Amino acid sequence: GESVGLHLPTLSVQEGDNSIINCAYSNSASDYFIWYKQESGKGPQFIIDIRSNMDKRQGQRVTVLLNKTVKHLSLQIAATQPGDSAVYFCADYSGNTPLVFGKGTRLSVIA
Amino acid sequence: EAGVAQSPRYKIIEKRQSVAFWCNPISGHATLYWYQQILGQGPKLLIQFQNNGVVDDSQLPKDRFSAERLKGVDSTLKIQPAKLEDSAVYLCASSHSHFGETQYFGPGTRLLVL
Repeated sequence: GESVGLHLPTLSVQEGDNSIINCAYSNSASDYFIWYKQESGKGPQFIIDIRSNMDKRQGQRVTVLLNKTVKHLSLQIAATQPGDSAVYFCADYSGNTPLVFGKGTRLSVIA
Repeated sequence: EAGVAQSPRYKIIEKRQSVAFWCNPISGHATLYWYQQILGQGPKLLIQFQNNGVVDDSQLPKDRFSAERLKGVDSTLKIQPAKLEDSAVYLCASSHSHFGETQYFGPGTRLLVL
């Protein structure tokens, strides 16, 4: 079946730096993408989403970029803070299929 | 707005025992999901309800797992009998409507099968 995966399992950044978390998806029919943040002992928390008719979407300190040509998704976090330390998952929908999660990237913020 | 509620938060059982998890979705959300998250992996959908009907249970191990949402609000997920490999976090999520809508997750129930 189709799958969504992340390029790196772990990412360490200095506090205040920008973070970039990447995601590659394989289903060219995917039309909706979501980034979730999961802190230890908690359920995934919605961060930001983007539909396939967009290339970029910005939120508060976060930006999601979608490159449909190479089927790549990225999450940029500006001025990374210790509270950003968590596992980040990308997930995608394609038509009427269930949400498919990747394995996640663990972001560690170094103070 | 209250979030998705789940109980219990933790459960330890021995293999071959039974266990049940409860979920109360966000008020007004028609769609409810149960996910299994094994350590180090992303959540995997077990079953999806639209109101009190099952939309997708293709990945639910039906020989031991069952779920219901009788009144279209809260839901229970049961495992009987449990196996060692069922050790995982069981997440409940809800969304306002069907596919393409953002899902909101509860805190999960962490199950350990010994």
